[in-house]
Amino acid sequence: EVQLVESGGGLVQPGGSLRLSCAASGFTFSSYAMHWVRQAPGKGLEYVSAISSNGGSTYYANSVKGRFTISRDNSKNTLYLQMGSLRAEDMAVYYCARQDGSGRRHFDYWGQGTLVTVSS
Amino acid sequence: EIVLTQSPGTLSLSPGERATLSCRASQSVSSSYLAWYQQKPGQAPRLLIYGASSRATGIPDRFSGSGSGTDFTLTISRLEPEDFAVYYCQQYGSSPPVTFGQGTKVEIK
Repeated sequence: EVQLVESGGGLVQPGGSLRLSCAASGFTFSSYAMHWVRQAPGKGLEYVSAISSNGGSTYYANSVKGRFTISRDNSKNTLYLQMGSLRAEDMAVYYCARQDGSGRRHFDYWGQGTLVTVSS
Repeated sequence: EIVLTQSPGTLSLSPGERATLSCRASQSVSSSYLAWYQQKPGQAPRLLIYGASSRATGIPDRFSGSGSGTDFTLTISRLEPEDFAVYYCQQYGSSPPVTFGQGTKVEIK
């Protein structure tokens, strides 16, 4: 069974840092591109970042470019999102998602999300 | 960046009725890269439709997707109580960025 389990969320002050993790199981993690998507309270889905299966390619939304870093450790089956210079508008539930491996590029599995609260 | 506009914002219907949700793109989207997701309160999104019209594993056949180019539709043929939720369309081009529509809420009338 495919499972994605996020962790690392919590309360952080504006300007602070946080590292999110997404532990994957039930599939060959190193074969799949992975993504982070966030959802502010009461709002829609916002795409954040992507990383290729081998970690060689990454992408960031303009809203987080230069402040967030996506990475992965295929030996640990874990995806990361290092978040820095956090702002109030970064407060959201952060989901990791697996990109389908067939070439269609939709997200076939999602984690349950981890909440990041940015407040003083 | 391709912008996806979903309509209506809210759809008020009764169980058993047909729901038709629209997703319009600001420029042409490859049908291979158009998906629909369902999200219930407190839950992660769930994949319903990919490639504009293919149902994901385990999705009932009352859900169907159609469309091409800039206009796509998600249809729920007969609403069941568990179908009341928010629905998002998503496009993914030849490379990022991925974009999502703003969502359509299907609520009980």
